[in-house]
Amino acid sequence: DTAVSQTPKYLVTQMGNDKSIKCEQNLGHDTMYWYKQDSKKFLKIMFSYNNKELIINETVPNRFSPKSPDKAHLNLHINSLELGDSAVYFCASSQFSGINTGELFFGEGSRLTVL
Amino acid sequence: SQQGEEDPQALSIQEGENATMNCSYKTSINNLQWYRQNSGRGLVHLILIRSNEREKHSGRLRVTLDTSKKSSSLLITASRAADTASYFCATDNNQGGKLIFGQGTELSVKP
Repeated sequence: DTAVSQTPKYLVTQMGNDKSIKCEQNLGHDTMYWYKQDSKKFLKIMFSYNNKELIINETVPNRFSPKSPDKAHLNLHINSLELGDSAVYFCASSQFSGINTGELFFGEGSRLTVL
Repeated sequence: SQQGEEDPQALSIQEGENATMNCSYKTSINNLQWYRQNSGRGLVHLILIRSNEREKHSGRLRVTLDTSKKSSSLLITASRAADTASYFCATDNNQGGKLIFGQGTELSVKP
């Protein structure tokens, strides 16, 4: 009965490869996010979708491409992986978007290691 | 850009003591939220305080907000070993659904 689930939990890959992380939420929320947490635990927003529409796109390299097939799913595809992409990627969802941002529900994270 | 800065970066206390963590931010906010992250896990929402509120309680948690000083504090009373985790503040500063997180305080509660 996991509210926000993301797969895989661990991902080890070589530089230059392409990989995807999937996220699904069963909370009925309209808004989903991808956050990146670095080795110092700094958490930075990457993307946000509201009802399948991209609403936040931070200064993320275009090697990162989010896709939301429906409002319960938000996947992250990364092309040509670089060493600096190594991090923990968190998916999250929330009820509201727009003027007030409410409580975020996070997945357990996907730890990406690029060798 | 990073909004919240937390202080201290690390805090070590004995079980039963109180733990206070502080968060400062730069721009005006709609609300400020506190989250907890256990090692290797996702973040869990603890409490949300709106910009027109000054104090909020939830169980052993007490959050204050001083918008004139652009700061917030999280107090955990009668701490337990299970409270050991990283604690993050996050601000909603009216940027269209974006929560900006501080770098967190790592709390260690020794039994």
